[in-house]
Amino acid sequence: DAGVIQSPRHEVTEMGQEVTLRCKPISGHNSLFWYRQTMMRGLELLIYFNNNVPIDDSGMPEDRFSAKMPNASFSTLKIQPSEPRDSAVYFCASSFFGTFARSRDFPYQETQYFGPGTRLLVL
Amino acid sequence: SQKIEQNSEALNIQEGKTATLTCNYTNYSPAYLQWYRQDPGRGPVFLLLIRENEKEKRKERLKVTFDTTLKQSLFHITASQPADSATYLCALVTGGGNKLTFGTGTQLKVEL
Repeated sequence: DAGVIQSPRHEVTEMGQEVTLRCKPISGHNSLFWYRQTMMRGLELLIYFNNNVPIDDSGMPEDRFSAKMPNASFSTLKIQPSEPRDSAVYFCASSFFGTFARSRDFPYQETQYFGPGTRLLVL
Repeated sequence: SQKIEQNSEALNIQEGKTATLTCNYTNYSPAYLQWYRQDPGRGPVFLLLIRENEKEKRKERLKVTFDTTLKQSLFHITASQPADSATYLCALVTGGGNKLTFGTGTQLKVEL
């Protein structure tokens, strides 16, 4: 498997522009997470989906941020309009979720597999 | 409020020594705790998971302890090598969900 795939890897845009980040989770995983990482705030969870359904979006900074997961193999995170303070590295991660994943015999537990990240710079 | 604290300052140790990293938390009752490694320019990579009813877990040169009374986990790397230099993150999951909350990470530097 290729692992979690994110695109673009780097994005430079001007304030006010729309930014769309894309993620393809590992095939078979049923949970997907979007994180933002900065030096000041560390790794913050923005939103996560189980079985394509948003479960917790309490980390989404404001209405300028939105995320979708139209199917099990694709998710987007959109920022509109973008602002300089949105500059960060955005990670997507995927995992298994469910009672089977909590079983001591299950080899993968609920470990999260991260993509390489998208480095966003808003000027 | 809920907090997960890791050593904010970088930890520098000599090759061959044991590195010990600390993760303290407050106002959480984690079902389990995980440790991840992150190299510059890359996403975190899972290392170890320890459950609330486990005291210790080992994997090769890595050892994790979990004290739910002290609300603390210790992460040890024995016989450290320069290749172990990275940032190490602890993460907690609470309740029946699968949401992970990460600590801020500790940067480890292993010198020759």
